[in-house]
Amino acid sequence: NAGVTQTPKFQVLKTGQSMTLQCAQDMNHEYMSWYRQDPGMGLRLIHYSVGAGITDQGEVPNGYNVSRSTTEDFPLRLLSAAPSQTSVYFCASSYWDFGTGVRGYTFGSGTRLTVV
Amino acid sequence: TQLLEQSPQFLSIQEGENLTVYCNSSSVFSSLQWYRQEPGEGPVLLVTVVTGGEVKKLKRLTFQFGDARKDSSLHITAAQTGDTGLYLCAGLSGGSNYKLTFGKGTLLTVNP
Repeated sequence: NAGVTQTPKFQVLKTGQSMTLQCAQDMNHEYMSWYRQDPGMGLRLIHYSVGAGITDQGEVPNGYNVSRSTTEDFPLRLLSAAPSQTSVYFCASSYWDFGTGVRGYTFGSGTRLTVV
Repeated sequence: TQLLEQSPQFLSIQEGENLTVYCNSSSVFSSLQWYRQEPGEGPVLLVTVVTGGEVKKLKRLTFQFGDARKDSSLHITAAQTGDTGLYLCAGLSGGSNYKLTFGKGTLLTVNP
């Protein structure tokens, strides 16, 4: 049981390039989400999905696209990278915690992206 | 927009000392979670508090949810070097509980 797996771990892009950050989970969780973490800003929600075929925008969606064709995978696409997208990106999946009656979250180990 | 303010932003203490980290908001959250994040890794869920006034203990860590469900605290007794990390509070709101709102975190360093 690998949990939430993110690839790549590190990436350097030139301004204007496109790329896809991969996220996969093997826990059969319906809900998945993407966050970015910047110094002094905390983690901010980019996009989320409540199930295959369903996605929605979070707090900072501009410049990013997502799709959810399977329960397991939730890739994040940068269409035309900008220096402002330099950040650490985290994917998370969510499960229902029957003990507390709320959702618990499992995060991947992150992708550190630098746009030059 | 709901905001969570954490204090202090940085904390450096000696092993064996006690400490308290605070998480405050002007908004009510249906529940609040605490995470710990180590360098190069993602946040790891420590605890979820749901009921106003609730207190939960996890070994040397004590978590409290305010009566009005707008604030929370994390108290660590006899800190150890292994407690070093970034502590994040995150609020859940709304019936779906799908969106986490994070505070900016408290970076704790426990020195030997």
